[in-house]
Amino acid sequence: LAKTTQPISMDSYEGQEVNITCSHNNIATNDYITWYQQFPSQGPRFIIQGYKTKVTNEVASLFIPADRKSSTLSLPRVSLSDTAVYYCLVGVRTGANNLFFGTGTRLTVIP
Amino acid sequence: DAGVIQSPRHEVTEMGQEVTLRCKPISGHDYLFWYRQTMMRGLELLIYFNNNVPIDDSGMPEDRFSAKMPNASFSTLKIQPSEPRDSAVYFCASSFLGLLDTQYFGPGTRLTVL
Repeated sequence: LAKTTQPISMDSYEGQEVNITCSHNNIATNDYITWYQQFPSQGPRFIIQGYKTKVTNEVASLFIPADRKSSTLSLPRVSLSDTAVYYCLVGVRTGANNLFFGTGTRLTVIP
Repeated sequence: DAGVIQSPRHEVTEMGQEVTLRCKPISGHDYLFWYRQTMMRGLELLIYFNNNVPIDDSGMPEDRFSAKMPNASFSTLKIQPSEPRDSAVYFCASSFLGLLDTQYFGPGTRLTVL
């Protein structure tokens, strides 16, 4: 499983767009990129998944450049309720791999 | 569906005691995962099952840890004997297709070993 690197923490003001970048230099051809969100005292929750270019859903957008060695989770107009830890995972969608969540990026939204 | 159900939500025990954590996955999900979360190490995958069969237990820290899945709707994670360094939040998750398919997490069990 491709190892990922993310910033430990980020701060943002309410209403701003937040971009969290994840580096995954060793990503393999069949690997997908997945992001999870975890609120305090809760289990992680799936946000978005992509393979290349751009994916958008009602919560976020995921931008993946052509070389796929990094990806950026974009949260539009964050609110206080977006304060959470965000995890980037890279791996094959099905099959036997060791999944690594790590410590993620702690996003704090400031009023 | 009620989602992934874990019990107990909180467990406080003394060192040396046996601890059993329980999980009921979402019906129809073929994969079940056990994770441990601490401040220092983040969220770690301990073991996962496919169709009730353990597939990868390389994340299990020691022989004191064991996990079983006797049927499709129930799994246990047991620690015997427990130690203070086992104190953590233990999450169970399930998915339909596997590791990178959307995993649905339970609320977790906060374990404190005194």
